[in-house]
Amino acid sequence: AAGVIQSPRHLIKEKRETATLKCYPIPRHDTVYWYQQGPGQDPQFLISFYEKMQSDKGSIPDRFSAQQFSDYHSELNMSSLELGDSALYFCASSLQGASGNTIYFGEGSWLTVV
Amino acid sequence: AQSVSQHNHHVILSEAASLELGCNYSYGGTVNLFWYVQYPGQHLQLLLKYFSGDPLVKGIKGFEAEFIKSKFSFNLRKPSVQWSDTAEYFCAVNGGTYKYIFGTGTRLKVLA
Repeated sequence: AAGVIQSPRHLIKEKRETATLKCYPIPRHDTVYWYQQGPGQDPQFLISFYEKMQSDKGSIPDRFSAQQFSDYHSELNMSSLELGDSALYFCASSLQGASGNTIYFGEGSWLTVV
Repeated sequence: AQSVSQHNHHVILSEAASLELGCNYSYGGTVNLFWYVQYPGQHLQLLLKYFSGDPLVKGIKGFEAEFIKSKFSFNLRKPSVQWSDTAEYFCAVNGGTYKYIFGTGTRLKVLA
């Protein structure tokens, strides 16, 4: 079965640079979530989109922005990168109202800021 | 405020031992409950979920969990663990909104 696809899988950037992560949800899923997981930490919710509109916002820094496009894929844009942004960024998707809003995670994008 | 508590941060067991990981949540409404597993270096994978019906739910790899509404708990169990169960386990709650709240995780190490 098709899963959530994230790209790139690994990314190395320097401080103050910009990075863009992409997420392709499971086909027919209408909701996309972004999570940040620092080393040894639990996933922290950043932001979510439902039907291309922002549906909820968590601990996303002002330097970050995200959007969901007409084909339901989403991009997380991160600017003025800091060392502390080094983390694993998960995208997840779900179909609202189906099966308890179960979310399925992608394999994540490893961002290393040097 | 909504929250999820996992009381055991680190658990070490020998193979064939029984496992129970605690999860308590704080939420003032109907909830959907999940357990996810994260094997070393991998992404979060769904183990099992509860959103209605039988409060005892069975998941993959022999795991099960019981929703006890009066105790706001959703503990994960497995009667006999294997070395391959070494991973981090996350309990998560969704109150029908777009936001999932995760517990801080329990790192399980199974000794061969």
